[in-house]
Amino acid sequence: EPEVTQTPSHQVTQMGQEVILRCVPISNHLYFYWYRQILGQKVEFLVSFYNNEISEKSEIFDDQFSVERPDGSNFTLKIRSTKLEDSAMYFCATKFRLQGHEQYFGPGTRLTVT
Amino acid sequence: GQQLNQSPQSMFIQEGEDVSMNCTSSSIFNTWLWYKQDPGEGPVLLIALYKAGELTSNGRLTAQFGITRKDSFLNISASIPSDVGIYFCAGPSNTGNQFYFGTGTSLTVIP
Repeated sequence: EPEVTQTPSHQVTQMGQEVILRCVPISNHLYFYWYRQILGQKVEFLVSFYNNEISEKSEIFDDQFSVERPDGSNFTLKIRSTKLEDSAMYFCATKFRLQGHEQYFGPGTRLTVT
Repeated sequence: GQQLNQSPQSMFIQEGEDVSMNCTSSSIFNTWLWYKQDPGEGPVLLIALYKAGELTSNGRLTAQFGITRKDSFLNISASIPSDVGIYFCAGPSNTGNQFYFGTGTSLTVIP
């Protein structure tokens, strides 16, 4: 069964450093999402992406964050200058079409900012 | 953003018991989704509801779309140890480009 993959599974970085989290969507999916989940808390929407541009973003997704699909397969989330409060699980999710709501989530990247 | 509140926050039940949990919102949703998250993994979609009043089953799971469109319920019958996890409700924004997740219900099943 096709699945969303994410790399790395765990990233440790120092405050102020840039990180890039990578996601490989399911091959025929067109809609891509990033979510964040701080330990023990709910899943929070960050951004949605379609047709090489951002569709919608939350207030969490400030100027420190950016997304792109550099090579037509990977979907990346970049955090320019990490802060301690960026420590969380980051999940990528993908969807085949807008009308359906069946998002498929990746296993997540645990980001630890020290 | 939209606030989705789930109750109870956590449940400890004996294997074989039935479970009920609910999700309420201050705003109307046109779709309700229920996800399960196992420790260290991403959420997995369990059930999707698209119409007010709709009752949908997936094996031992049954979910209902409240008629006010501001709530939804999930029931698990005859719980088993692998039901352990966190259950989240979720709903899309009007554009369908953003999804709001509930606060989660943590389920522990005691064998």
